[in-house]
Amino acid sequence: DAGVIQSPRHEVTEMGQEVTLRCKPISGHNSLFWYRQTMMRGLELLIYFNNNVPIDDSGMPEDRFSAKMPNASFSTLKIQPSEPRDSAVYFCASSRRGQGGNQPQHFGDGTRLSIL
Amino acid sequence: RKEVEQDPGPFNVPEGATVAFNCTYSNSASQSFFWYRQDCRKEPKLLMSVYSSGNEDGRFTAQLNRASQYISLLIRDSKLSDSATYLCVARMDSSYKLIFGSGTRLLVRP
Repeated sequence: DAGVIQSPRHEVTEMGQEVTLRCKPISGHNSLFWYRQTMMRGLELLIYFNNNVPIDDSGMPEDRFSAKMPNASFSTLKIQPSEPRDSAVYFCASSRRGQGGNQPQHFGDGTRLSIL
Repeated sequence: RKEVEQDPGPFNVPEGATVAFNCTYSNSASQSFFWYRQDCRKEPKLLMSVYSSGNEDGRFTAQLNRASQYISLLIRDSKLSDSATYLCVARMDSSYKLIFGSGTRLLVRP
């Protein structure tokens, strides 16, 4: 089975540019999560969707960040305008929302973002 | 104070050694717990869930002490391939939000 697919794998861009990260969750999974990982702050949840609806976006750092999930098989995380402090690895994860909520999350390979 | 705290290590052990990692969580409402493994420059992968009664998966044993809000992972007969960062994770089922510790780095040497 295909896992969570993220693109691009690497992105290097200049500050002020718009950055769009993409994610395709595992087929049949109805929960999708965007995380950011840095050395200083570790792995942080940015936003999560259930059945394509944003449930918790309290981790989104500021208005420059936005995320959408137009359908069950696609999500984007956008940063506009980007800043050097946004440099990090961004992971997308998906899970099946089962009874009891004890379903594991499966992570994509991540997008390594560098803002110059 | 971080919600999930771990000793960052690194733990440097010889092959065949037994090594234990500890983790504490601050939110008593946390209901589910996991250990994830993350290799260098890779994504986190679920290693095992942690059950109240303790559970074992091959060389790996996880334990949970709700009274002390403490989770542990024991690795027996460590292999070179066990070298990685181990992330302790807590979740409150009502939110489905995973809270990750910053990870404990393990280096297994020949």
